Amino acid sequence: DARVTQTPRHKVTEMGQEVTMRCQPILGHNTVFWYRQTMMQGLELLAYFRNRAPLDDSGMPKDRFSAEMPDATLATLKIQPSEPRDSAVYFCASGFLRQGSNQPQHFGDGTRLSIL
Amino acid sequence: DAKTTQPNSMESNEEEPVHLPCNHSTISGTDYIHWYRQLPSQGPEYVIHGLTSNVNNRMASLAIAEDRKSSTLILHRATLRDAAVYYCILREGGSEKLVFGKGTKLTVNP
Repeated sequence: DARVTQTPRHKVTEMGQEVTMRCQPILGHNTVFWYRQTMMQGLELLAYFRNRAPLDDSGMPKDRFSAEMPDATLATLKIQPSEPRDSAVYFCASGFLRQGSNQPQHFGDGTRLSIL
Repeated sequence: DAKTTQPNSMESNEEEPVHLPCNHSTISGTDYIHWYRQLPSQGPEYVIHGLTSNVNNRMASLAIAEDRKSSTLILHRATLRDAAVYYCILREGGSEKLVFGKGTKLTVNP
C-alpha cells in the first residue's frame, strides 16, 4: 500500500536551532495537512495545502513556523527558532480531496521532536 | 466546530465484539460522521464514515441513530491489534478539516 513518508522520525535539538521536517505525500494526492500532537492539546491541525497552494494556516504560530510545498512530492514544516514548547509529534497527512469530499486522510507515522 | 463526546476508555476481550459509542447532539444535516483510530506510535488511520445509513467495511461497522445524535462503531471480533485510541469526528459539510477530540482508548485483553 502507498504510504505517507515523514523524515526524520525523531529529532532532538537545542532551543534556538532551526528544525525542518519533511513529508512525501502519496503520489496523486492533491491535499497535504500538517498536524501536531501533544499530551495536553491532543491532535491539532496546523496548516494544509491544496495543489501546493496554502489554504489554511490559522492553526500555526506565525512568528516561528512556516510550511511550504516546493513541489508535489515534498512538503516541509520549519520552526525557527525552536523552543521547548514546540516538543511534540508532528504528523503529515495527504488525501485526494475537494470541497465537500469525504475521501479519507492518510497519515504518516510522524516526527517526534524534542527541543531541549 | 461541531463537538463529539466519547468515553475516555473501554476494555474488551479478544475475539469479542466491541461497541464504541459517540454522542454528537449538535450535529447538522450536512455533517458526516468519521472514525479514525491511532495505534501506539503511529499516525491516525481512517476506519469508516457515514451520513445517515449504517455502513460496513472490512474493518468495522458504523451504526447511526435515526436522529443522528449518536453513533456506534462496531468491531465484530476484537483482536490485540485493535488496541488503539478511536476518534469520532464530525466532518462539517464542505470542509476538508478533521477536528480531533480526545477519543476512546480501547484496551483488548487476551
